Amino acid sequence: DVKVTQSSRYLVKRTGEKVFLECVQDMDHENMFWYRQDPGLGLRLIYFSYDVKMKEKGDIPEGYSVSREKKERFSLILESASTNQTSMYLCASSPLAGGVYEQYFGPGTRLTVT
Amino acid sequence: AQSVTQLDSHVSVSEGTPVLLRCNYSSSYSPSLFWYVQHPNKGLQLLLKYTSAATLVKGINGFEAEFKKSETSFHLTKPSAHMSDAAEYFCVVSGPNTGFQKLVFGTGTRLLVSP
Repeated sequence: DVKVTQSSRYLVKRTGEKVFLECVQDMDHENMFWYRQDPGLGLRLIYFSYDVKMKEKGDIPEGYSVSREKKERFSLILESASTNQTSMYLCASSPLAGGVYEQYFGPGTRLTVT
Repeated sequence: AQSVTQLDSHVSVSEGTPVLLRCNYSSSYSPSLFWYVQHPNKGLQLLLKYTSAATLVKGINGFEAEFKKSETSFHLTKPSAHMSDAAEYFCVVSGPNTGFQKLVFGTGTRLLVSP
């Protein structure tokens, strides 16, 4: 079974702090993704990566950055956390496209910024 | 741009009755379509996917969906609801416009199942 793990289930941070969310997958997938999930808005793509050190902006990248130094690990960074970044963050991975592949999701990190 | 619209934010059914969760899509090309389920405090799990093969797609836990190009719909159904089906369901599209790697999610439908 594909396993995608996220470093924390719940996180509370103060405004202005630098926040790191970590995601690890164990299936040697090329693609990794970060989403945020908000009630009534579904999931929105923040960033994705199709290879080590490669990244592309998603639909809502402002206020976020990412890092992918190893194939299995994809980090989301909030450079200076703000209250409007309080949300559920979901990481996902998928094999390289060559067909249509579903994405495999981690359990999520619920981040509260106070 | 490709998009999906989930027509109901909440659906309530009684245990043992049929389930219908509605989804319409918008796409210039033949899309790939998915349904995902999210149980409380859990990650998303794939229920089923359509990739231009059979138009009636069977998924896990007795769910199925039918791709109807003429109606641009991909509704999710189940003949008999179970209490464990209570969750949030997302209709998702991908395809040439989004890049196949990228998924575009609907806003979700919360399914409530009463005894």
